[in-house]
This record gives sequence, C-alpha cells and structure tokens, in this order.
Amino acid sequence: AQSVTQPDIHITVSEGASLELRCNYSYGATPYLFWYVQSPGQGLQLLLKYFSGDTLVQGIKGFEAEFKRSQSSFNLRKPSVHWSDAAEYFCAVGNTGTASKLTFGTGTRLQVTL
Amino acid sequence: NAGVTQTPKFQVLKTGQSMTLQCAQDMNHEYMSWYRQDPGMGLRLIHYSVGAGITDQGEVPNGYNVSRSTTEDFPLRLLSAAPSQTSVYFCASSYSSRYHEQYFGPGTRLTVT
Repeated sequence: AQSVTQPDIHITVSEGASLELRCNYSYGATPYLFWYVQSPGQGLQLLLKYFSGDTLVQGIKGFEAEFKRSQSSFNLRKPSVHWSDAAEYFCAVGNTGTASKLTFGTGTRLQVTL
Repeated sequence: NAGVTQTPKFQVLKTGQSMTLQCAQDMNHEYMSWYRQDPGMGLRLIHYSVGAGITDQGEVPNGYNVSRSTTEDFPLRLLSAAPSQTSVYFCASSYSSRYHEQYFGPGTRLTVT
C-alpha cells in the first residue's frame, strides 16, 4: 500500500527566508506526486504535481519541488517566503492506475514571522 | 463555473441521527471523491466514483454510503451518526481518474454529540 510521510508537523520561518518542506513516499512503481496548500478554514489548492519527465517541477506562487527516486522524496521549496504563505501544506501520492485516488501525508503547518 | 460546492458548511448532529452531505460540481468531471480531515491525520479517502453509477470504497468507508446518479452530484450519507464521525469533510472532483488535478470544495464541518 502507498503511504506518505511528512516528518515536520510545524515549521516556523522568517519572512524572506528560504523554505523546504519534506515529503517521503512509499510506492512500488513510479508515483504521481502532489503538493496541496490549505489556508485556515479553506479547501485545498494544488501547488504542483509530478507525473513524469523533468524531476524539478514548478508550481504556483513561486513554489517548486524535486522528485528524487533514490531517496523516495518530493520536497517542496521556495526561495523567499512571504507572510501570506502561512498555511498547512500536504504532500500526496496517487497510484499508477488511479492518480486521483490520493493518499495524503499528515501535513506541515507553516508559520511565518515578520 | 462555481467549481465544487458543498452544503451545509456546518452541521451538528446527535448520535444516531442520519444526514446527507451534498456535493456538486459543474465542470463535467468524471471522477469525484469524499475525504475526511482529522487533526494530525491528514485527509483520508472515504468513497470515490469514476463516473455516474460507479462507486467504490476508499480507506475509511465504514458508516458512510454514497451513490452517483448524475455526473454532477455525489452525496455522502451518514446512516447513524457516531461521535467518531466528527470531522471536516471535503468533496473533490477531477476530469478523470488519471493525470488530472483534483479540485476541492470548501468543506463541511460536522460535529456529532
């Protein structure tokens, strides 16, 4: 069965600092990988996705993620964080047969200090 | 397009009551799904549908029923609510089950007392 681990429950960064959120997955074949963001009281918005091809993917709001098969990781990065990036971030994996049938990690809550 | 809509936004039930959470999408999406979100557990898939008339169980289906009579609607039924079903429920849809982004509704916060 597929699974996703987000080892950091809560991260605090200063505005303007760089950010890396960790995500490790477990899946037997090539996974479909996603990062979603959830602002307080809101639904989830897709930041970026990896299906195949270039292992460095660009998303919205200046985010990027790199797929590393050897490390089973799909870490999310942003070079300079803005206060509006404070939210909860979820990594998710979909399987080869049904990419939309997602398994989510437990989430990382990002706090941004001014 | 309204996207994915969910009603109600908030609901309080007593143990043993039944109710239906409504979900609708106006994007002609084939694939629809229901997730529940609990603190520290992320989102877990309850049921999903790959098209009208076709549904299947996800990770945590017990206590919930679904049906998909039209492409647009995918209601989630709680037959006899239990306190363990206190959660935030999200409906999502995508063009198909493969290679496509899922769009999430705003959620329904359910409390069972």
